[in-house]
Amino acid sequence: AQKVTQAQTEISVVEKEDVTLDCVYETRDTTYYLFWYKQPPSGELVFLIRRNSFDEQNEISGRYSWNFQKSTSSFNFTITASQVVDSAVYFCALSEATLGTSGTYKYIFGTGTRLKVLA
Amino acid sequence: DGGITQSPKYLFRKEGQNVTLSCEQNLNHDAMYWYRQDPGQGLRLIYYSQIVNDFQKGDIAEGYSVSREKKESFPLTVTSAQKNPTAFYLCASSIGQETDTQYFGPGTRLTVL
Repeated sequence: AQKVTQAQTEISVVEKEDVTLDCVYETRDTTYYLFWYKQPPSGELVFLIRRNSFDEQNEISGRYSWNFQKSTSSFNFTITASQVVDSAVYFCALSEATLGTSGTYKYIFGTGTRLKVLA
Repeated sequence: DGGITQSPKYLFRKEGQNVTLSCEQNLNHDAMYWYRQDPGQGLRLIYYSQIVNDFQKGDIAEGYSVSREKKESFPLTVTSAQKNPTAFYLCASSIGQETDTQYFGPGTRLTVL
């Protein structure tokens, strides 16, 4: 069954520390897509990254980096030199490129990790 | 500016009343979605639409209804049949297929008194 696990419910760090948010997924498909979204206190989900299952290259965007490892079914997100503005809930999501049992595509979200960056 | 708008930001209704949440997008996206978010939980799909005049039930469609008469608009009605309607509702859209990146609106927080 398709599943996304974000085991860290809440993380607190002091500004300028590095922090890694974990995401572990389950899927039977060979073709799938992984996403990270940021939800600041305002509530809107902000898209951060999309990665397909055939691209295992790590990605870096400014202070953000992502480590995709198919061998461990993980897609972890690291923020380097965290800032107070990074405080938010971060969601990992999985979408499979094949039809689910109900005849629909599935886009499954984890339960989110709340990151608090303290000044 | 292209984007997704949801209105209102906060909505209060009495128990037993139907209420309609608005979602509009000017991204020229074909697909639109409604999600519900409860505290400490991920997003759960209520309904989605991949094309005008067509929509499909998601995982928790009971007590909700939608329409898709225009490409830009995908309103969600929370009916009195929905047992626990108080939640944060998010609308999203994508270019087409559901594996495409979904972009979200600012959300509507519905409180049923």
